[in-house]
Amino acid sequence: NAGVMQNPRHLVRRRGQEARLRCSPMKGHSHVYWYRQLPEEGLKFMVYLQKENIIDESGMPKERFSAEFPKEGPSILRIQQVVRGDSAAYFCASSPTSRSYNEQFFGPGTRLTVL
Amino acid sequence: AQSVSQHNHHVILSEAASLELGCNYSYGGTVNLFWYVQYPGQHLQLLLKYFSGDPLVKGIKGFEAEFIKSKFSFNLRKPSVQWSDTAEYFCAVKRNGGSQGNLIFGKGTKLSVKP
Repeated sequence: NAGVMQNPRHLVRRRGQEARLRCSPMKGHSHVYWYRQLPEEGLKFMVYLQKENIIDESGMPKERFSAEFPKEGPSILRIQQVVRGDSAAYFCASSPTSRSYNEQFFGPGTRLTVL
Repeated sequence: AQSVSQHNHHVILSEAASLELGCNYSYGGTVNLFWYVQYPGQHLQLLLKYFSGDPLVKGIKGFEAEFIKSKFSFNLRKPSVQWSDTAEYFCAVKRNGGSQGNLIFGKGTKLSVKP
């Protein structure tokens, strides 16, 4: 059973470009979470999605960031017009349900560098 | 706002020393508690979790943690560390119930074990 897959693992963008980060949850998992980790910081929640629905986007910046989890295919975190401050590691996690005791399984992360 | 505090930023121990990493959270309701570990170059993995019952929880690789509700604490312990325990350790909290699915993470504690 493959774990949570993320690609690309490393992404370099120039200021003003768009970044697209992909996450394929574990098989059988329909809940996806995105977190961002800045240097010397813990992971910060960004958005929680189920198939075709955004459940909680309270941690997502209001501008330039969007996320989706279509019926078919991976979840996408999209950052438009990237700035240097967007440089971070972006982690995706999945769980089978949203029940509190469920473990979230994490992917390897995408390290975004904005030049 | 809910928060998770990890008291130590960087801990350096010799092999066979005992380990205790502190974690306190600031939410007054019922919570589920997790410790994750991130080995160098790898993704986050669950060490152990608490959601109900015995407040002393045993995890993988000889780790354990004790939930003390009156102190809002969930400290991680290991009686005798090994060089292979060198990693970053994250405490995380999830509210029980409601629609929120996200984990709230501490900033992490880096553990370096000297051989």
